[in-house]
Amino acid sequence: GAVVSQHPSRVICKSGTSVKIECRSLDFQATTMFWYRQFPKQSLMLMATSNEGSKATYEQGVEKDKFLINHASLTLSTLTVTSAHPEDSSFYICSARAAASAYGYTFGSGTRLTVV
Amino acid sequence: DAKTTQPPSMDCAEGRAANLPCNHSTISGNEYVYWYRQIHSQGPQYIIHGLKNNETNEMASLIITEDRKSSTLILPHATLRDTAVYYCIVSRAAGNKLTFGGGTRVLVKP
Repeated sequence: GAVVSQHPSRVICKSGTSVKIECRSLDFQATTMFWYRQFPKQSLMLMATSNEGSKATYEQGVEKDKFLINHASLTLSTLTVTSAHPEDSSFYICSARAAASAYGYTFGSGTRLTVV
Repeated sequence: DAKTTQPPSMDCAEGRAANLPCNHSTISGNEYVYWYRQIHSQGPQYIIHGLKNNETNEMASLIITEDRKSSTLILPHATLRDTAVYYCIVSRAAGNKLTFGGGTRVLVKP
């Protein structure tokens, strides 16, 4: 089945620094990837839709200048949290779907970001 | 996309069937019903999806009512490893985004 690899799985950074999270589709091409954020004991909240070769589409209330998304190839999308603050600490998850997939959407294993 | 309603939590006994209900009364004709589950601190895992016919795979069965306003996910023989939050999502296919609701927190007990 389709596999999505997300890296790193955990990261701790200092307040004010930037962190990059990678999401790769390992055995399929994904023209569209999605980025979610999940706070403790809450559901996943869609942040943005990442489109290969074009600008990402952000959900209402998500700051596009703070959460930079780059989808430069059919197998890689990156999310950069710029000038991170403690309130950005969360679980970030990406997902993608192969064009002819019978398995729906495949999710990465998530990245636990802690800003200190 | 249509919204879904699920019970917030349920317990089930190990080895027994677990029946997870989902209401989606505003579903449109071109919207699919997807089920995912999320084990603690992991990304969601695809379980099954369907349009109007009942579906079965190695993980579960999906029963969709004739009017498509509700569905039931059946885990035929629940194990302790099935403890997770189960999400019922309605969405059009072909790359449309998935919007997660609160899900059902399932606890499988020995």
